[in-house]
This record gives sequence, structure tokens and C-alpha cells, in this order.
Amino acid sequence: GNSVTQMEGPVTLSEEAFLTINCTYTATGYPSLFWYVQYPGEGLQLLLKATKADDKGSNKGFEATYRKETTSFHLEKGSVQVSDSAVYFCALIRGGGSNYKLTFGKGTLLTVNP
Amino acid sequence: EAQVTQNPRYLITVTGKKLTVTCSQNMNHEYMSWYRQDPGLGLRQIYYSMNVEVTDKGDVPEGYKVSRKEKRNFPLILESPSPNQTSLYFCATGTGRYEQYFGPGTRLTVT
Repeated sequence: GNSVTQMEGPVTLSEEAFLTINCTYTATGYPSLFWYVQYPGEGLQLLLKATKADDKGSNKGFEATYRKETTSFHLEKGSVQVSDSAVYFCALIRGGGSNYKLTFGKGTLLTVNP
Repeated sequence: EAQVTQNPRYLITVTGKKLTVTCSQNMNHEYMSWYRQDPGLGLRQIYYSMNVEVTDKGDVPEGYKVSRKEKRNFPLILESPSPNQTSLYFCATGTGRYEQYFGPGTRLTVT
């Protein structure tokens, strides 16, 4: 079946540090890949997406590249801010089929200290 | 402004008392779905709908019902809630496999 594995948290960084959150996936067909962010007490916000191999999604300084050869979609940001503190979820929607179900990783809690 | 709204945002109820959580979107999306989020179990799909009058079960449909009589609305119905349905519920809507947007969540406690 489809699955997403992302690095265990929590991750604690100082402001302006470089961020990488690893994500790998297993899926049939050609999935679409996503990163969602959940701030404390809020819903999930779509952070970025990539729908085919070699696509790079980017938003708010975050970026991730769809690597089919390594089945990965790692999230990176060059300089994190305190306001980036949140839980980050990697997710996929498998190619084909009639249910566009999102399969999520377990989430990675990021805390950024001033 | 594109929006997904859920009501109520917080609800404490008792076992067996029927309740409905509403979900509404103004983006004219055909696809809508419901998820629940639980510690250690992550996000799991309950039901989904491909269009008006077209609904189907997700991974954890037991104890839930849905209806889709209008494109914009997709209510989640708990006919006889039980404590194991205490959870954080999210409605999602989107264009299918290219992007999906979530509502703000409904925190339900069943005592």
C-alpha cells in the first residue's frame, strides 16, 4: 500500500539555522506530493506541492523537490524563523483511482528558538 | 476569499446524543472528504465525496455517516457518538490529486 515516512521529531533549531525534514514515500503509480503545516491550535495549511518527478515546490522560503529515483520529497529552508515553529506533515495522493485520499506521514514538530 | 468552514469548532457531548459537524466550501470543488486526527495514529480518512450524491467510505467509516446534497456542503453525522470518537476532525476540499485545502478543525469530546 501507500505510505509516507518522515523523520522523527522533535526538531529544535536556533533562528536562522538551516532546516531539512526528510520524507520518503512508497506508492503505486505516480503520486502527487505535498507538505502541510499545522500551527498550534489550527488546521492544516498546504505549504507546497509537486505533482510530477523533478518538480520543485516552493513557498514562504520552503522548498522540496520530487525525486522519483530516491522516492523522496525532503523539505528545506535556508533560514528558519521563530514563526516557523509548527508541525510539518509530508503527504501523498496516489496516481489513478477515484479517491483522492491524502496519505500522511506522522508529522515532525519543529521548534525554533530566538 | 477562498474558505473552508467547519462548525462547531469545539463540542463536548455525551454518549449516544446525535450530532452533526458541518463543512462548507466556497471554491466550487467537487471533491470533499473528512479526516480524523488522533495522537499516535495520525490523520485517517473517514468518508469522501466525488460530487453531489456521490459518497464512499474511507479508512475508518464505522460510526459515521455523511451526505452530499449540495456541492458546497458535506456534513459529518454521528448518530450515536461513543467515547472512542473523541478526536480532532478536519474537512478537506480540493481539485483532486493536485491540491486540497483543510478546514480549521472541530475538536469533539464524547463523555
